[in-house]
Amino acid sequence: DTEVTQTPKHLVMGMTNKKSLKCEQHMGHRAMYWYKQKAKKPPELMFVYSYEKLSINESVPSRFSPECPNSSLLNLHLHALQPEDSALYLCASSQRAGTDYGYTFGSGTRLTVV
Amino acid sequence: AQTVTQSQPEMSVQEAETVTLSCTYDTSESDYYLFWYKQPPSRQMILVIRQEAYKQQNATENRFSVNFQKAAKSFSLKISDSQLGDAAMYFCAYTSGGGADGLTFGKGTHLIIQP
Repeated sequence: DTEVTQTPKHLVMGMTNKKSLKCEQHMGHRAMYWYKQKAKKPPELMFVYSYEKLSINESVPSRFSPECPNSSLLNLHLHALQPEDSALYLCASSQRAGTDYGYTFGSGTRLTVV
Repeated sequence: AQTVTQSQPEMSVQEAETVTLSCTYDTSESDYYLFWYKQPPSRQMILVIRQEAYKQQNATENRFSVNFQKAAKSFSLKISDSQLGDAAMYFCAYTSGGGADGLTFGKGTHLIIQP
């Protein structure tokens, strides 16, 4: 299995809702990432979960909360989002630097906040 | 902080021709990796090519090759024999060699293939 699987592919939620995005990989990668991508912009790093340690981009608001139940699964919990949070959310995983070093991306979750 | 600059917001090329996309970066690290990713309208981010900074030899993958100029901090992508399926947004990206840092992306170049 050489894929990163993200669910759901599309999500519409109200500003008072609580929802979660799911990301899963079975490549044995020990680092996983969440990126936010607005239209016609590059992805922006939100969170890194690497070897059981979470790193947070300090500009990410607290209404986004990552969770890593195990090394293959990374969730992103959403609460009280704003319309400006509407974007494509990409998950990626990577293995440690080496000859095969690379990042594998999922196909993303298109989030719309209404 | 590392930065990645793509100065061409959009490029257009005739099918079967060759096109070069530019990328420069700024870092004080000596160990790092550079990537070109392709993102078609389907939004899947696809790895095109990778270059390790410690390797002097330019990476190649079939019709795709890079010109890596470490001293100049330049990392351009050449696409030969352009095909309609190459149409996409192309992002240049950087990561340090620490093993699990995220990617820093340039703003992207929208590549149009003219039939």
